[in-house]
Amino acid sequence: DIQMTQSPSSVSASVGDRVTITCRASQGISIWLAWYQQKPGKAPKLLFYDASSLQSGVPSRFSGSGSGTDFTLTISSLQPEDFATYHCQQTNSFPLTFGGGTKVEIK
Amino acid sequence: EVQLLESGGGLVQPGGSLRLSCVASGVTFSSYFMAWVRQSPGKGLEWVSCINSGGGTYYADSVKGRFTISRDNSKNTLYLQMNSLRVEDTAVYYCAKDRGRAEHNPFDYWGQGTLVTVSS
Repeated sequence: DIQMTQSPSSVSASVGDRVTITCRASQGISIWLAWYQQKPGKAPKLLFYDASSLQSGVPSRFSGSGSGTDFTLTISSLQPEDFATYHCQQTNSFPLTFGGGTKVEIK
Repeated sequence: EVQLLESGGGLVQPGGSLRLSCVASGVTFSSYFMAWVRQSPGKGLEWVSCINSGGGTYYADSVKGRFTISRDNSKNTLYLQMNSLRVEDTAVYYCAKDRGRAEHNPFDYWGQGTLVTVSS
């Protein structure tokens, strides 16, 4: 099975800050990675697929990059509505696996 | 607008059974891979099972042999039959739709989730 490791597990940041979250796969997964945003009590929302393809309706302050084993999600200027937990998921092969999540908290 | 509505969660004793349902609207249900993903309290997301448009199924090792995914395209409904439930199956269960390409699809729509609690 492919293990997905996210770091950090949590980050404290202020509105306007640049935030970067990383996700590492235990083996190469090409570009087959998705990112989700989840707010408390809500379902996850797709942000990116294929590592860097922005899902419709997602603000352009979000960006995704990477290939192989190392991936990043960047929020260029954190907004109040961005405080949430972010999850990565490999879509390379079954069993599908998620990272442990990164909680972005208000500083 | 695509909507997924889960139901069937609740409290069940260890060893018991439960069937979850997910009704889809606003989408040609029969054309898409569908999935169940769960989230234990305060934990991350865990993929449980998928079913393709042709009825082919995939399972996480943690549920293989105990859970069965199925679909009724005439009712736009996805099911998860859960048997031999364990305390560690306690979670919010989400129904999710894949993005519809031939492969390597993320989940682009999710239901609101239904809580399954396994406890004596």
